[in-house]
Amino acid sequence: KNQVEQSPQSLIILEGKNCTLQCNYTVSPFSNLRWYKQDTGRGPVSLTIMTFSENTKSNGRYTATLDADTKQSSLHITASQLSDSASYICVVSEGSNYQLIWGAGTKLIIKP
Amino acid sequence: ETGVTQTPRHLVMGMTNKKSLKCEQHLGHNAMYWYKQSAKKPLELMFVYSLEERVENNSVPSRFSPECPNSSHLFLHLHTLQPEDSALYLCASSHLLAYVYEQYFGPGTRLTVT
Repeated sequence: KNQVEQSPQSLIILEGKNCTLQCNYTVSPFSNLRWYKQDTGRGPVSLTIMTFSENTKSNGRYTATLDADTKQSSLHITASQLSDSASYICVVSEGSNYQLIWGAGTKLIIKP
Repeated sequence: ETGVTQTPRHLVMGMTNKKSLKCEQHLGHNAMYWYKQSAKKPLELMFVYSLEERVENNSVPSRFSPECPNSSHLFLHLHTLQPEDSALYLCASSHLLAYVYEQYFGPGTRLTVT
């Protein structure tokens, strides 16, 4: 069964610290993996999209990594800011299907 | 903003009411989607439209009825809902119906069924 599992479920860190969020998937065949940021009461916004051949991709202070062999991805946030408080969702695209397999998200809280 | 708008942002309705959710995209996209987001659960794809034709209905109860009059507008008509239908309903659009294209989301409608 195609699944996307994220950990931790929630995380609290102090402003200025770094953190890493994890994503494991069992989706096959694999097409691409996306990380979305969702602020409370808003729709998800894309941070990165990575294909099979990409190991790492950055978007400002966000860096995503992908290991297609172990079917794992991580999202690293550097020098966290209060505005980083949000849910971060890992999404995997299956083969050539337009359907996306969504994770349940990691809720990140940045404290001053 | 993402270029996708949704109205209303909040809706409270009784189980016997009929209401509609509206989505409009200003991005020139040809595919539009309805998702349901319940607390602590992954997004659930409900309906997909490509070039104004429905291509997916993920076993959604008939009390939810979508309508896509043109490529810029998408509606979700609601009737005789149940309390478990309370959730955030998200609309999204993409350039084409394909896995490589970015999906752009609206802010959602927070629905409460009493």
